[in-house]
Amino acid sequence: GAGVSQTPSNKVTEKGKYVELRCDPISGHTALYWYRQSLGQGPEFLIYFQGTGAADDSGLPNDRFFAVRPEGSVSTLKIQRTERGDSAVYLCASSPRGGLAEFSGTDTQYFGPGTRLTVL
Amino acid sequence: GNSVTQMEGPVTLSEEAFLTINCTYTATGYPSLFWYVQYPGEGLQLLLKATKADDKGSNKGFEATYRKETTSFHLEKGSVQVSDSAVYFCALSQPFRAQKLVFGQGTRLTINP
Repeated sequence: GAGVSQTPSNKVTEKGKYVELRCDPISGHTALYWYRQSLGQGPEFLIYFQGTGAADDSGLPNDRFFAVRPEGSVSTLKIQRTERGDSAVYLCASSPRGGLAEFSGTDTQYFGPGTRLTVL
Repeated sequence: GNSVTQMEGPVTLSEEAFLTINCTYTATGYPSLFWYVQYPGEGLQLLLKATKADDKGSNKGFEATYRKETTSFHLEKGSVQVSDSAVYFCALSQPFRAQKLVFGQGTRLTINP
């Protein structure tokens, strides 16, 4: 079946511009995560959606970053007034259940190929 | 808070050599532990996982055992192949708390024929 897809694969923008990054999760997965991976580092958590709601946005670095998932499927990560320090690979992952309160097991997260963002 | 520390790379080995990549963690309670792999030009993939103490995760000849007493989850393989060349990430998540992953910095492995 189809995996997690992300578009665009590469995005080059100028400092101060607005960008949107899209994630299409595996069909039926209720949980969706965004991570950011800087060069030579492991991915860092940004935000977690359970269905349509942002259940944990503790990883968003500041209020320039915002994400939505209006219908509980596709998600968009939005970055305003981009800065050179925002340059990184942005990864999206989905899982069947995530942190649902009634789920006591451990889910597997399936990652997309990422969007490489370069801010000039 | 939760954190993962893994062996710094890069690691270069010859084919058929024994591999160990060290990983230690700091966490409250009983996290689940993972190894993810990123092959050249590909996305992150789950390699193996363990969800409780003394569990052993295994896949593709790789193994890792959840050691709560030493807070470790070292990755091992008895005989590596050129196709194992990739970046390996150790990670943890906490059940009931979004299950967001906390990753180590990654270890780049190169296997020479």
